[in-house]
Amino acid sequence: AQSVTQPDIHITVSEGASLELRCNYSYGATPYLFWYVQSPGQGLQLLLKYFSGDTLVQGIKGFEAEFKRSQSSFNLRKPSVHWSDAAEYFCAVHNQAGTALIFGKGTTLSVSS
Amino acid sequence: DAGVTQSPTHLIKTRGQQVTLRCSPISGHKSVSWYQQVLGQGPQFIFQYYEKEERGRGNFPDRFSARQFPNYSSELNVNALLLGDSALYLCASSPGGLRTGELFFGEGSRLTVL
Repeated sequence: AQSVTQPDIHITVSEGASLELRCNYSYGATPYLFWYVQSPGQGLQLLLKYFSGDTLVQGIKGFEAEFKRSQSSFNLRKPSVHWSDAAEYFCAVHNQAGTALIFGKGTTLSVSS
Repeated sequence: DAGVTQSPTHLIKTRGQQVTLRCSPISGHKSVSWYQQVLGQGPQFIFQYYEKEERGRGNFPDRFSARQFPNYSSELNVNALLLGDSALYLCASSPGGLRTGELFFGEGSRLTVL
C-alpha cells in the first residue's frame, strides 16, 4: 500500500539558514509527489509537485524538491528561510487509483530570529 | 477568481447529531474531494467525486456520505456524530479527469463534537 513518512515532527531553523524537510514514500510505480504548506487555521497550499521529467522541481516561495527514486525520497529544500515560512508542511503521494492523495503526518517548522 | 469555498467555517454539534458541510469548487473544476484532518495529523481521504459520481472512497464508516450537484458543488454529511469526528474537514477541487492531479484546497470547516 502507498504511504508517506515524514521523519521529523518538528524542526526549528534560524532565519536566513537553509532548510531541508525529509519525505519518504512507498509506491509501486512512478509516483506523483506533492508538497503542501498549511498555516495555522488555514487550508493547504501547493508548494510544488513532481509528475515526471526533471527530478529537481522548483516551486513557489523559493522552495525546491528533489525526487530520488533509489532512496524513495522527495525532500523539500529552501536556501534561506524567512520568518513567514513558519507553518506545517505536508508531503503527499497519489494513490494508485489516482483518486486521492495520501499525506504524511507533517513537519512543523519554527523559525527563530 | 474565487478559490474553493466552504461553509460553515466553524460549527459545534453534540454526539448523535448530524452535520452537513458544503463546498463550492473553483469555477471550471469538475472534481471535488473531501478530507478529514484531525489535530496534529495529515489530511485523510474521505471521498472523491467527478462528474457527479463517486470515484473514490477512503476508509470511513457509512455514517459518512457525500454527493455532488450538477453545478459541481458538493455536500458532506456525517450522521450519528462521535467525539472522534471532531476535526477540520477540507474540501479540494481539481480541473477534472479520473486522476486528481493537483488539488486546490479550501480553508476548511472546523467541526467540534461535544
